[in-house]
Amino acid sequence: EAGVAQSPRYKIIEKRQSVAFWCNPISGHATLYWYQQILGQGPKLLIQFQNNGVVDDSQLPKDRFSAERLKGVDSTLKIQPAKLEDSAVYLCASSPRGLGNEQFFGPGTRLTVL
Amino acid sequence: KQEVTQIPAALSVPEGENLVLNCSFTDSAIYNLQWFRQDPGKGLTSLLLIQSSQREQTSGRLNASLDKSSGRSTLYIAASQPGDSATYLCAAETSGSRLTFGEGTQLTVNP
Repeated sequence: EAGVAQSPRYKIIEKRQSVAFWCNPISGHATLYWYQQILGQGPKLLIQFQNNGVVDDSQLPKDRFSAERLKGVDSTLKIQPAKLEDSAVYLCASSPRGLGNEQFFGPGTRLTVL
Repeated sequence: KQEVTQIPAALSVPEGENLVLNCSFTDSAIYNLQWFRQDPGKGLTSLLLIQSSQREQTSGRLNASLDKSSGRSTLYIAASQPGDSATYLCAAETSGSRLTFGEGTQLTVNP
């Protein structure tokens, strides 16, 4: 079974530029999550999708971050414009149905904002 | 609001030693408690998941326990090996299937 795929693996941009990350979850997994992990900290949930609907985006900085999950499969996370404090690893995870189910994580995208 | 704390932040042990990593959470209304391993530059690998109705889970040299009433979980690693060197994260799942993570324990096992 293929795992969660993410691209790109690394990205370096200047502040005020925009950037987008892509995630392909495990086939058949209905729930998809985006996490932000700042160096030295645990991951923090940004947004959770159930199929193609948003379940929880309470910690997403909506003035600059946006995410979508087209057709309930792949997802993209966008930052526009980026700030220095957005430098982090962005992790995508998926689970079969959400609550009570194990979450499987992708390798992450390391973003550096200069 | 759930808060998860991991102690110690870093641990260095000689190979072969048994060790315990600690995780505490403030809201006992959890659905499960998950332990993850993270290698440098890599994503998270799930090690053990303990459902709220369970007291412990075992996988090989790893044993995780859960005491909901006291808001604590421990990860026991037997006969540690250099390959066990990584950051270990615990995460509590609360309503809405949100995982709240601790900041991790960075483990170094010296040959």
